Amino acid sequence: AQSVTQPDIHITVSEGASLELRCNYSYGATPYLFWYVQSPGQGLQLLLKYFSGDTLVQGIKGFEAEFKRSQSSFNLRKPSVHWSDAAEYFCAVGPNFGNEKLTFGTGTRLTIIP
Amino acid sequence: EAGVAQSPRYKIIEKRQSVAFWCNPISGHATLYWYQQILGQGPKLLIQFQNNGVVDDSQLPKDRFSAERLKGVDSTLKIQPAKLEDSAVYLCASTLTGAHEQYFGPGTRLTVT
Repeated sequence: AQSVTQPDIHITVSEGASLELRCNYSYGATPYLFWYVQSPGQGLQLLLKYFSGDTLVQGIKGFEAEFKRSQSSFNLRKPSVHWSDAAEYFCAVGPNFGNEKLTFGTGTRLTIIP
Repeated sequence: EAGVAQSPRYKIIEKRQSVAFWCNPISGHATLYWYQQILGQGPKLLIQFQNNGVVDDSQLPKDRFSAERLKGVDSTLKIQPAKLEDSAVYLCASTLTGAHEQYFGPGTRLTVT
């Protein structure tokens, strides 16, 4: 069964500092991996996705993530965070065929301090 | 392009009452999902539709939850009777046939007192 672990429940960073959010997955084959962001009272917005090819993927809002098969990880990074990045971030894994359910991690809440 | 629409945005009911949520997916999206997101957790799939047929409802508590997608477009999710542990955000998502990216609505926040 597929699963996702986000080991950090809550992270606080200063505005302008770099950010890395961790995600580890368990899946029997090559997975499809996603990062979603959820602002308070909002639905989930897709930040980026990995299907195949280049293991470093670029997303919206200046985010990027790197797929490391050997470590079963898909960590999200941003070189310089902005106050507007404060939100909940979810990593998700899905099978490598379409229209199948996603399994989400428990999320990491990001707080930005001035 | 309009996104996934959901209503109501907020609902407060007493336990043992019934409640219904509505979702209108993105036009042309044949696959529709309902997720339950309990506070502090990630979304958990309740039911998946392909057009008006159910693909996966293995995690739907069928003794109290029901869902339908008449005509393969709009969908409703009903809870009857509600329990305190049903307090959560109910998210609707949709995708194109064969696609991987799910597009989410704003959710309905349910509070059961």
